[in-house]
Amino acid sequence: DTEVTQTPKHLVMGMTNKKSLKCEQHMGHRAMYWYKQKAKKPPELMFVYSYEKLSINESVPSRFSPECPNSSLLNLHLHALQPEDSALYLCASSQDAQTGMNTEAFFGQGTRLTVV
Amino acid sequence: AQSVTQLDSQVPVFEEAPVELRCNYSSSVSVYLFWYVQYPNQGLQLLLKYLSGSTLVESINGFEAEFNKSQTSFHLRKPSVHISDTAEYFCAVSDITDKLIFGTGTRLQVFP
Repeated sequence: DTEVTQTPKHLVMGMTNKKSLKCEQHMGHRAMYWYKQKAKKPPELMFVYSYEKLSINESVPSRFSPECPNSSLLNLHLHALQPEDSALYLCASSQDAQTGMNTEAFFGQGTRLTVV
Repeated sequence: AQSVTQLDSQVPVFEEAPVELRCNYSSSVSVYLFWYVQYPNQGLQLLLKYLSGSTLVESINGFEAEFNKSQTSFHLRKPSVHISDTAEYFCAVSDITDKLIFGTGTRLQVFP
């Protein structure tokens, strides 16, 4: 199984709503990532979890709250978002780089988020 | 800090012609280099990677890239493109900090 699964595929939410994006992998990877991608732009790193601990937060606003319940799951909780937060949100995982065996990141298909 | 530069935002080419997508990086430490492809409304798929060893790496669908340390480049090439190669191509760099940083992307448009 070399897949990263993201749900939902599409999400429309109001600015006062609370929603969550989910990501799952069963490759035994210990690093998991959230990226945000605007149209015609490259993915921008938001968060990195390594061994279920938050290791990198790229100064993301607190209305985005990541959570890593276990080594296979990664959530992104959304609250009080703005229309400019509309984007494709990509989850990825990779083998832990701390062992010196960094390999490629596997990406999910993304969640297309629209904030109205 | 690492960074990646893809100088060409768009590359138009006719089918069966060769193509080169350019990628330059900067980093003060040893790096790992990747090319990802993104088809419309989809996630990213790994095309090929350089971690160590041979500086010429190849993918199963005919793409290849060469790591050139002296020129800090990792250009992607294909000798004969197909219509189905039309997509966005991202060069990316990472080091041991788990941070994967992308270039701005190159839109490859293949015309019949």
